[in-house]
Amino acid sequence: QKEVEQNSGPLSVPEGAIASLNCTYSDRGSQSFFWYRQYSGKSPELIMFIYSNGDKEDGRFTAQLNKASQYVSLLIRDSQPSDSATYLCAVGGGYNFNKFYFGSGTKLNVKP
Amino acid sequence: DTAVSQTPKYLVTQMGNDKSIKCEQNLGHDTMYWYKQDSKKFLKIMFSYNNKELIINETVPNRFSPKSPDKAHLNLHINSLELGDSAVYFCASSQDADARTQYFGPGTRLLVL
Repeated sequence: QKEVEQNSGPLSVPEGAIASLNCTYSDRGSQSFFWYRQYSGKSPELIMFIYSNGDKEDGRFTAQLNKASQYVSLLIRDSQPSDSATYLCAVGGGYNFNKFYFGSGTKLNVKP
Repeated sequence: DTAVSQTPKYLVTQMGNDKSIKCEQNLGHDTMYWYKQDSKKFLKIMFSYNNKELIINETVPNRFSPKSPDKAHLNLHINSLELGDSAVYFCASSQDADARTQYFGPGTRLLVL
């Protein structure tokens, strides 16, 4: 079982819609959760992080964490074509406190 | 100002060669990392150094040897390159070692022929 699982996609949504990206993790002791965006041929860039159960909003982005279900999600409201990228979920601070595990990413296509 | 830089950006080499990739960060961070991203976009940690001390050493072939001359630099040397080493190698840094926000370099695209 992989430490972090994501649906590889592609997830296609029309411009202006809400895109919902999901991630599950295996280490129940994980403490920090991150969403990175990676454009093709570029390096990952941090979009959001969340440490506590519940929702965290930043502009058009909302991260949701449910530690009981070991589930973290990212909602992108009013999706734009420029949001088209691969979104990587990352989880850290678990049984190996220093480690940071990435999912394989979900490719998002926002169609104009 | 580049926060995390890597050289070279592209590296094409023959099987069996030895090569090095360099990484530098000017963020004043204590911790640096090397990741490998394969063709399926899976990003996997290889090594991590905190204040020049190795703290994460994943199961990678011992042909890969990291070196941290100071906390702003983390280099990766690869001996006897193999076809399967072809990937994008990312350097990253974070303020400290407790797996908080990481900042990635631009990546080094390695192709072994």
